[in-house]
Amino acid sequence: NAGVMQNPRHLVRRRGQEARLRCSPVKGHSHVYWYRQLPEEGLKFMVYLQKENIIDESGMPKERFSAEFPKEGPSILRIQQVVRGDSAAYFCASSRQVQGPGELFFGEGSRLTVL
Amino acid sequence: QQPVQSPQAVILREGEDAVINCSSSKALYSVHWYRQKHGEAPVFLMILLKGGEQKGHEKISASFNEKKQQSSLYLTASQLSYSGTYFCGTEWGSGNTGKLIFGQGTTLQVKP
Repeated sequence: NAGVMQNPRHLVRRRGQEARLRCSPVKGHSHVYWYRQLPEEGLKFMVYLQKENIIDESGMPKERFSAEFPKEGPSILRIQQVVRGDSAAYFCASSRQVQGPGELFFGEGSRLTVL
Repeated sequence: QQPVQSPQAVILREGEDAVINCSSSKALYSVHWYRQKHGEAPVFLMILLKGGEQKGHEKISASFNEKKQQSSLYLTASQLSYSGTYFCGTEWGSGNTGKLIFGQGTTLQVKP
């Protein structure tokens, strides 16, 4: 019974490069969330997606960041032209969310370091 | 507009009790509690819905005061394994958004 799988676990990029973070939700879960966590800080909501739809992207920076959750395959968080301030742990979570609040299952996170 | 947690940090001896509070400036629909150990994923503890519900999980319980828009997490007879950072996640309004806004976290350290 696999949980949320994120890869890569660690990613190093130079300024100006692109970072792609992947998230496979728990089997049967159709709701995916991305959170960013800076060292010693809390979890900042970025985006909430369902299959082929972005439901809420109010936490996403307006530029350089995009997310998708295609019909087939994992959810992708893409950061273009990375800057040092993008260095953080990016957590993906999924839920079954039929209705009402539900438990979020978090992945182990992808730790991005921008040199 | 994230919820505010207090205290920011707590240091306990094994067997002692602790209370972590989570306050919101907006009307709460639900409060979720998670624990994260260093370098690991946050792990779900419990959900509370508006209505003053209290829930428990072994020696960890929580309450939700809708009037005060506040939730409290109670850890009794703390164990070493309780160490970590505790986050409350809040859902506002009518709920059903699934989107949780987390507080800044409370770091708990339990010493032998």
